[in-house]
Amino acid sequence: LAKTTQPISMDSYEGQEVNITCSHNNIATNDYITWYQQFPSQGPRFIIQGYKTKVTNEVASLFIPADRKSSTLSLPRVSLSDTAVYYCLVGDIRGSGTYKYIFGTGTRLKVLA
Amino acid sequence: NAGVTQTPKFQVLKTGQSMTLQCAQDMNHNSMYWYRQDPGMGLRLIYYSASEGTTDKGEVPNGYNVSRLNKREFSLRLESAAPSQTSVYFCASSEPPLQPQHFGDGTRLSIL
Repeated sequence: LAKTTQPISMDSYEGQEVNITCSHNNIATNDYITWYQQFPSQGPRFIIQGYKTKVTNEVASLFIPADRKSSTLSLPRVSLSDTAVYYCLVGDIRGSGTYKYIFGTGTRLKVLA
Repeated sequence: NAGVTQTPKFQVLKTGQSMTLQCAQDMNHNSMYWYRQDPGMGLRLIYYSASEGTTDKGEVPNGYNVSRLNKREFSLRLESAAPSQTSVYFCASSEPPLQPQHFGDGTRLSIL
């Protein structure tokens, strides 16, 4: 299963677009890529999920290149409340019918005024 | 609408004691999960239950057992707690297994 690697931390200013990349060089054909946001003392919260190309919802976009060895979470016009840790998750179903889920180590985003 | 509820929220144990962490979801999800989160290591899957009546090992199952009591409830048991099991434990659910997971707010467990 893909090992996921993320930058440890990023700083940004309010109103800017933030792009956080996750590397998953060994991603398998059936793997899905999911991004979560986590605030202190809370459980992770789902942001967006994709398999290939581009996915957009009301809060973020997810870009996945053709080789799927990386993915980029894009947060448009961040605010102070977007300060959190962001995790990518790669999950798949194995031939035996079991599932595997590997979280990245997380990127701590700090939004500055 | 509670989502995923974990009890207790905090617990301190002595080495060798046993304990069961409880998790319940009210979203009628088939799949449930237990993770542990250690500083700087992200979340690691301990066990999961793809559907009622089934359980499977995750990345770090040693020292733990699980029970899928019914569709709503999935418990995690530490039979003989060790200091290395000090962590924050998260329960999650989803429908179906590869769909986005909904997490509880965690149980903070310290083992002395």
